[in-house]
Amino acid sequence: SQTIHQWPATLVQPVGSPLSLECTVEGTSNPNLYWYRQAAGRGLQLLFYSVGIGQISSEVPQNLSASRPQDRQFILSSKKLLLSDSGFYLCAWSPTHEQFFGPGTRLTVL
Amino acid sequence: TQLLEQSPQFLSIQEGENLTVYCNSSSVFSSLQWYRQEPGEGPVLLVTVVTGGEVKKLKRLTFQFGDARKDSSLHITAAQPGDTGLYLCAGASNQKLVFGQGTRLTINP
Repeated sequence: SQTIHQWPATLVQPVGSPLSLECTVEGTSNPNLYWYRQAAGRGLQLLFYSVGIGQISSEVPQNLSASRPQDRQFILSSKKLLLSDSGFYLCAWSPTHEQFFGPGTRLTVL
Repeated sequence: TQLLEQSPQFLSIQEGENLTVYCNSSSVFSSLQWYRQEPGEGPVLLVTVVTGGEVKKLKRLTFQFGDARKDSSLHITAAQPGDTGLYLCAGASNQKLVFGQGTRLTINP
């Protein structure tokens, strides 16, 4: 069966510091991968998605970037965090049109 | 830009009552998913509807996809406190999902 992991689970970072969130998927190959951000109790905003190694599509201009160095690894990064980067970050994988989500990372920027 | 509007945004009812959540769009989607999310966790897929007019039942939950594949509804019969959570609809288009803003459902014992 397939599983998706995210780490860290929670993160508190100062403004201006770098960021690296990691997502890995097990039990499948060549999945589509997605990064979302969710405001408190609301819908999900798609940040990036990838259909293959090294292929990244950005949905909104922002202070973040994404990379896919391996088939089942998706990384969300920032060089300098802003207060507005705080939120709940979710990674998802998709075999077709359905998406399956990881447990999320709660990021607080102070 | 494709948008999905969910209503109501908040719903608080007593245990045993019935409820319906709506998900509407002006866009056509190839499929539509419903998710349920607990605080601090990722959304969990409940159902996928693909065909216009399709109805799927999951115990006390009934999901319907509109004939034109632009809207959907979730009906819960005899709601229980365990149904409490954030319900999200999402429409599939071009390998991406467009999410509604969610319905925060609270079932009071």
